[in-house]
Amino acid sequence: DAMVIQNPRYQVTQFGKPVTLSCSQTLNHNVMYWYQQKSSQAPKLLFHYYDKDFNNEADTPDNFQSRRPNTSFCFLDIRSPGLGDAAMYLCATSRAGGTDTQYFGPGTRLTVL
Amino acid sequence: AQSVSQHNHHVILSEAASLELGCNYSYGGTVNLFWYVQYPGQHLQLLLKYFSGDPLVKGIKGFEAEFIKSKFSFNLRKPSVQWSDTAEYFCAVSRATAGNKLTFGGGTRVLVKP
Repeated sequence: DAMVIQNPRYQVTQFGKPVTLSCSQTLNHNVMYWYQQKSSQAPKLLFHYYDKDFNNEADTPDNFQSRRPNTSFCFLDIRSPGLGDAAMYLCATSRAGGTDTQYFGPGTRLTVL
Repeated sequence: AQSVSQHNHHVILSEAASLELGCNYSYGGTVNLFWYVQYPGQHLQLLLKYFSGDPLVKGIKGFEAEFIKSKFSFNLRKPSVQWSDTAEYFCAVSRATAGNKLTFGGGTRVLVKP
């Protein structure tokens, strides 16, 4: 089945130690998104790629970066995780356009010690 | 800035009761409207969406939502809930002029008691 896959499902890192989260998709969608969802809060868009074009949200901290080496894969890099970065990180994809459904992966829960 | 408000953070009801979850948004232009559901331990899934046409849209699992443009609302309804409807429900809005970027409401946790 076509889907959005996130690895790992659970990630533990230490304060200040770089961490990379992975997302892959078999849907062949043009757009990939990264959201941050803190406990009991709404998902918040960090950035998205439209094909190779990177679009950063204005309030996304510089500590967060992303790479999309090809259509199928997208990575979220947190350069120096702080305690406040502990959250669920959601990857989503869509074909393109404002009416297209976004398909979400299961998320990676990040714990920062 | 665009915002999406969900009126209830928590709802508890019994099986067979009717459910209505409120959602209001602040943007005045053309919008696309979505309801997503997150069952315990699962990923976000689309329940239904509205882009244009009939303002009453039907989704999966017996859910429906009504877009009332004059009230900037997109409320979700289900006439008779089941225990399996226990989940968190998120309203989301995208603007036609801003591509497909979703702004989510804060979510409503629904607990259906058997």
